[in-house]
Amino acid sequence: AQTVTQSQPEMSVQEAETVTLSCTYDTSESDYYLFWYKQPPSRQMILVIRQEAYKQQNATENRFSVNFQKAAKSFSLKISDSQLGDAAMYFCASPGGATNKLIFGTGTLLAVQP
Amino acid sequence: SAVISQKPSRDICQRGTSLTIQCQVDSQVTMMFWYRQQPGQSLTLIATANQGSEATYESGFVIDKFPISRPNLTFSTLTVSNMSPEDSSIYLCSVDSGPSTDTQYFGPGTRLTVL
Repeated sequence: AQTVTQSQPEMSVQEAETVTLSCTYDTSESDYYLFWYKQPPSRQMILVIRQEAYKQQNATENRFSVNFQKAAKSFSLKISDSQLGDAAMYFCASPGGATNKLIFGTGTLLAVQP
Repeated sequence: SAVISQKPSRDICQRGTSLTIQCQVDSQVTMMFWYRQQPGQSLTLIATANQGSEATYESGFVIDKFPISRPNLTFSTLTVSNMSPEDSSIYLCSVDSGPSTDTQYFGPGTRLTVL
C-alpha cells in the first residue's frame, strides 16, 4: 500500500528562524509530483509547494523550499525566516495510484514563537 | 488556480438526517474529489467524481452512505446520509488542475457536527 509518513506530530520554531519538516513516502509511480499543503485554523487547505519527481533540482517558493531525495523517498519542507502566519498544520502528499488521487501524511503542527 | 466554493460552510445536524454539500468551481475541471477529515486527523479520500460517470469510491466508503452527483464540469454535490455522530468531520472538495501537474486545489471545507 502506498503510504506517506510524517514523523513529527508537532514542531516549534522561533520567529525569523528556520525549521524543517520531514516526510517520507512510498509510491509505485515512476513519474509523479509531491506536495506540501498548509492548513491554518480556518481549515482551508493551501498548496505550499510542489516537486516534480523527475527533476533533480529542489523546488523553491519564496521562503519555502524542499529537500527531495528520490532514492530515499524523502521530501522535507524547509521554512526560512519563519513568520507568525506560518503557524498551521502542514501535510505532505504523494500520489495514490490511479485516478490522480493523493495520499496524505498525518500532518505536523507547526507553532511559531514570537 | 481554480476558485472553489463550498456550501454550507458549517452545519449542525441531528442523527438520522441527511446533508448535501455543494462544491462549485469557477472553471471547467475534469476531476473533482471529496475528502473527509475527522477531528484531529488527516484527509481521507471518499470518492472521485468525473462528469458523466458514476463516482469511484475508496475502500470503506459506499454510495448509499455518500451519494455523489456531478451534473457538469463545474459542480458536484456530496450527501452524507443517515448521519451519526461519527460522521462529524470536515468535508472538503478539491479539483485536479490537469494531467500535466496532478495538482489538487481545495475548497474551504464544510464543518459538520452531528448531535
